Amino acid sequence: QSVLTQPPSVSGAPGQRVTISCTGSSSNIGAGYDVHWYQQLPGTAPKLLIYGNSNRPSGVPDRFSGSKSGTSASLAITGLQAEDEADYYCQSYDSSLNVVFGGGTKLTVL
Amino acid sequence: EVQLLESGGGLVQPGGSLRLSCAASGFTFSSYAMSWVRQAPGKGLEWVSAISGSGGSTYYADSVKGRFTISRDNSKNTLYLQMNSLRAEDTAVYYCAKPSNYDILTGYSGYFDLWGRGTLVTVSS
Repeated sequence: QSVLTQPPSVSGAPGQRVTISCTGSSSNIGAGYDVHWYQQLPGTAPKLLIYGNSNRPSGVPDRFSGSKSGTSASLAITGLQAEDEADYYCQSYDSSLNVVFGGGTKLTVL
Repeated sequence: EVQLLESGGGLVQPGGSLRLSCAASGFTFSSYAMSWVRQAPGKGLEWVSAISGSGGSTYYADSVKGRFTISRDNSKNTLYLQMNSLRAEDTAVYYCAKPSNYDILTGYSGYFDLWGRGTLVTVSS
């Protein structure tokens, strides 16, 4: 069981908007630690998608956005494309456990 | 080109040992902390360990503490993970990853901005 809770799966049709939630607690997200997001395509290493709650690395389309409030964070993907089908993970820091990840969310593009 | 390349994975019996390596290139290796992150088959990501740029500060997940040892050789631009007393639940792809920042006093690590391709460790009899 992961310290950060994500829905196991989400889905959407091409062009639609989907969101993935990441719920933590007062010892990680709620303590003010940043949340980061990764995209993992099948058979590949994770790729940084969002850092510092809402910042996009160079090369990441602006269709991807992140936000954080209280003990939770969210990743939003607009204009869904077939190539977005992947697993998505949130990550933060926990004052007792060090680096923590969410359990991952599988995005299916219908 | 900035990259990390892991090696050393394989099949090992329960109770056995294995040493993973991660060769870094394209950046000043000694200036950065490094980490190991693993992913069991079909499962999510799990942070394993971190080490400061000098090697003087190390942190471990409770699941591996006392069994795994992280180290580095800055003259060879290489990160290591010595894994002893291996268990079936250690079966995973092991990634080396570079955190954006690191606090040697608390072990705080930021986001991981560079990942290797991973090496598979299978613990089975």
